[in-house]
This record gives sequence, C-alpha cells and structure tokens, in this order.
Amino acid sequence: QQQVKQSPQSLIVQKGGISIINCAYENTAFDYFPWYQQFPGKGPALLIAIRPDVSEKKEGRFTISFNKSAKQFSLHIMDSQPGDSATYFCAALGAGSARQLTFGSGTQLTVLP
Amino acid sequence: EAGVAQSPRYKIIEKRQSVAFWCNPISGHATLYWYQQILGQGPKLLIQFQNNGVVDDSQLPKDRFSAERLKGVDSTLKIQPAKLEDSAVYLCASSFDSSGKGETQYFGPGTRLLVL
Repeated sequence: QQQVKQSPQSLIVQKGGISIINCAYENTAFDYFPWYQQFPGKGPALLIAIRPDVSEKKEGRFTISFNKSAKQFSLHIMDSQPGDSATYFCAALGAGSARQLTFGSGTQLTVLP
Repeated sequence: EAGVAQSPRYKIIEKRQSVAFWCNPISGHATLYWYQQILGQGPKLLIQFQNNGVVDDSQLPKDRFSAERLKGVDSTLKIQPAKLEDSAVYLCASSFDSSGKGETQYFGPGTRLLVL
C-alpha cells in the first residue's frame, strides 16, 4: 500500500503551545519522510525530513519523531507561533526507480495569538 | 536562486474545453514533477520527468491529460477535454538530483483551475 494516513485534520493551539501532527504508513519500502508546510496560495515547502535509521531529528522549534516498528512518525512544533498557521503535510518517498512522493491528507494548523 | 515558476496562476474554463499549464523549473534541476492537489487533500503525482524523458506517468489520466518537457527544461501540462472533477490546483515541482531520487522537491505556487 502506498497510503500515508495523517491526523488530525485540523488543530488549534495557543501561542507558545506544542503542536503535534501524526502520520502512519504501511509500505516498509518508504525510506525518506519529509514534512511540508503550505501557506494559502503557495506551493508546499520542505520543512524538515528524516530517514528511518534515526528516531528523532530536530531543527529549531521543529522535531520529527520516528517509530520504525510502529510505522509512525510525527511532527512536533514547540513554542508555536501565529506565523506557523498553515497546512502541514507529511509525506513518504518510495524506493524504486521513480521514487514517488506520497502525501498525507494534510493538517490545517491555527495558532491563536 | 529563482524558484519554480508557473503560469497562469488562475484559470476558469467550462467543461469540455481544453487548458494548458506551463512550468519553468529551477535552473539545473533534472527532475520535474506535476501534481494535482484537490481542495482539502495532499498533492497527488501525475507525472515525473527525468530530463526530457518520462519516468512515471502511472497516475496520469491519459485519455484527457498530456504532458511534455521539451529540451529537458520547461514543461507543459494539458487537459483536453476538461471535466468538472479536474477542478484543482496543479503544482509543478523540480529536484536537482540527476539520479531521480527526488528527495528535495521544490514546488511552484501552482495553477488554480476551476471547471464550470
């Protein structure tokens, strides 16, 4: 299966709070897991990515936690800011010659001031 | 570094009409992708080019959609004839990796298509 399941569909947090978005996958051939951030009227932009040989990757306020055995990964946004309000997509890159990105359905994050 | 350019940004057509979208990838990027993003969903790959050759078009509805990438740079995506369900944002992306690994894809702003 190429599907990547993402939750929640929408998320509202207060400024300074922690935002957590979860994704799960079935295909064990996926070997690269990026998160994209998309603002209205813009294309998705790569935020942070992880490979399955590490369990955590942190870049500034953004952290990916990866659980290979459970086939789950999550994005944590620490000290969430109103400027973080956007739609977030998890994705997984498949193995093989085409290396196709499969996206989750997206999470609309709203950070209240 | 200039980003991925797309035009037009918006297009409104009636069903059964034809429409074409244009994409100019980041200079030097060998791989180019076209995605369809329906409202409320994640992008879905339609076609992937490596230079001017097609790597994957398994999800392209070939009875109505076509795409080409002449000279391995710019690309056009065409829909003929359009259906109501083609209303979506069409995103173009490119990546540098000439091996086609596509790990870092850079997206353009998209073309928003509305079919009436």
